[in-house]
Amino acid sequence: DIQMTQSPASLSASLGETVTIQCRASEDIYSGLAWYQQKPGKSPQLLIYGASSLQDGVPSRFSGSGSGTQYSLKISSMQTEDEGVYFCQQGLKYPLTFGSGTKLEIK
Amino acid sequence: EVKLVESGGGLVQPGRSLKLSCAASGFNFNDYWMGWVRQAPGKGLEWIGEINKDSSTINYTPSLKDKFTISRDNAQNTLYLQMSKLGSEDTAIYYCARAQREWFDYWGQGVMVTVSS
Repeated sequence: DIQMTQSPASLSASLGETVTIQCRASEDIYSGLAWYQQKPGKSPQLLIYGASSLQDGVPSRFSGSGSGTQYSLKISSMQTEDEGVYFCQQGLKYPLTFGSGTKLEIK
Repeated sequence: EVKLVESGGGLVQPGRSLKLSCAASGFNFNDYWMGWVRQAPGKGLEWIGEINKDSSTINYTPSLKDKFTISRDNAQNTLYLQMSKLGSEDTAIYYCARAQREWFDYWGQGVMVTVSS
C-alpha cells in the first residue's frame, strides 16, 4: 500500500496568515493527490484534486502543488472558517489511502 | 443538489452483521462510481472500497475484503455496505461518497456504527 505522511500534525495560524500543509507519499503518485477539509462534526469536503485543480466552489485562497512524492496545500490568507482537519489522499493505486490529518486552528 | 443520505447504523453486538444504505439524489446515480469511507472516533479516514457504475468492478481495501460487501441498486439510486463478523475495531462513522475518478467530490453526512456487547 502507498503510505501518506502528513505534516505537521497540528498548527495554529493567525487571521490573514499563509498556511502550508505537507503530504509525502511512500512512492511516486504522479500528481494523483486530493486534499479534503473536515470541520468538527461534518463530513469531509473535497478542496483540491489532481494535486493542483481547485474543486468548484472552493475559495481561491486554497491551492495545491507538488509532484512525485511531495505535495503541499496552501491557504494564502487564513480565515476563521478554515479551521478544521485537512487530509490528503492518493488516488494512483488501490487501496486508496489517506494521510493522518493536520489539525488547523486559529491562533 | 447532490444529496447522499446514509442509514442503517446503530449499536450491534460483536460477531453480528449489519447492512448500511446510502440513498442518492440530485444526480444521475448510474453515471458514477460510488464508495465507502469510515472514520473511527477521533481518528483519520479509511477507504473501505468502491463500486463501478454497473457493479461489474468492486475494489476493497485488503483487510476488509472478506468482511464487507459493497453493492448498488441503480433502479433505487441506492448504495449498500453489508458488514459481517463485526468487531470493536469496526466502530466508526461510515460515509458514502460519490467518486469522481479517484477522488470523492460529494459525501454523505455519515452514519455511526457502534460494535459493543
